[in-house]
Amino acid sequence: GQQVMQIPQYQHVQEGEDFTTYCNSSTTLSNIQWYKQRPGGHPVFLIQLVKSGEVKKQKRLTFQFGEAKKNSSLHITATQTTDVGTYFCAGREGAQKLVFGQGTRLTINP
Amino acid sequence: DSGVTQTPKHLITATGQRVTLRCSPRSGDLSVYWYQQSLDQGLQFLIQYYNGEERAKGNILERFSAQQFPDLHSELNLSSLELGDSALYFCASSVVAGHDAPLHFGNGTRLTVT
Repeated sequence: GQQVMQIPQYQHVQEGEDFTTYCNSSTTLSNIQWYKQRPGGHPVFLIQLVKSGEVKKQKRLTFQFGEAKKNSSLHITATQTTDVGTYFCAGREGAQKLVFGQGTRLTINP
Repeated sequence: DSGVTQTPKHLITATGQRVTLRCSPRSGDLSVYWYQQSLDQGLQFLIQYYNGEERAKGNILERFSAQQFPDLHSELNLSSLELGDSALYFCASSVVAGHDAPLHFGNGTRLTVT
């Protein structure tokens, strides 16, 4: 079945450093969504990517969708303490259910 | 506030018991999803409903069942509970049935089975 792998599982950075999490699917995805879950909170939708090679930016966050639509990445420039949380990608193959990656937990040393 | 309401927030029960988790979707959302999140784990998809009908099924155990009512609220029933069922259960809703639509998550119900 469809699998979405996310790496790394954990990432600890100094405040101000950059951060990247990667998402890889075993199959071609029709779209990919990214969510952020703060500690003790619930996942919150960040963005959706649909087109091959698509790049979207939200302030310090840059999201990319691979040319083959099998991988995606989230890059945060100059992390801030407010970026702490777990970042999930979620992909869908065709009409299949939305499958979440295991998430990358980001912790930041102020 | 996502607009998705889940009750109760916390539930503590014993093995072998049965519990019901309730979810009210955002106003206007027709689709409801249930996810299970164990400690330090990802989000495991359980089941999806759209306008009262089951739309998709994930790795939901036979001991678990769900339904969506005419007023669109949903309930997840967990029976013959085991210690391993302890987890955070999230409900999410979206406007349409397709998984293109963003999901809006509730605050979750934390279930502890002792």
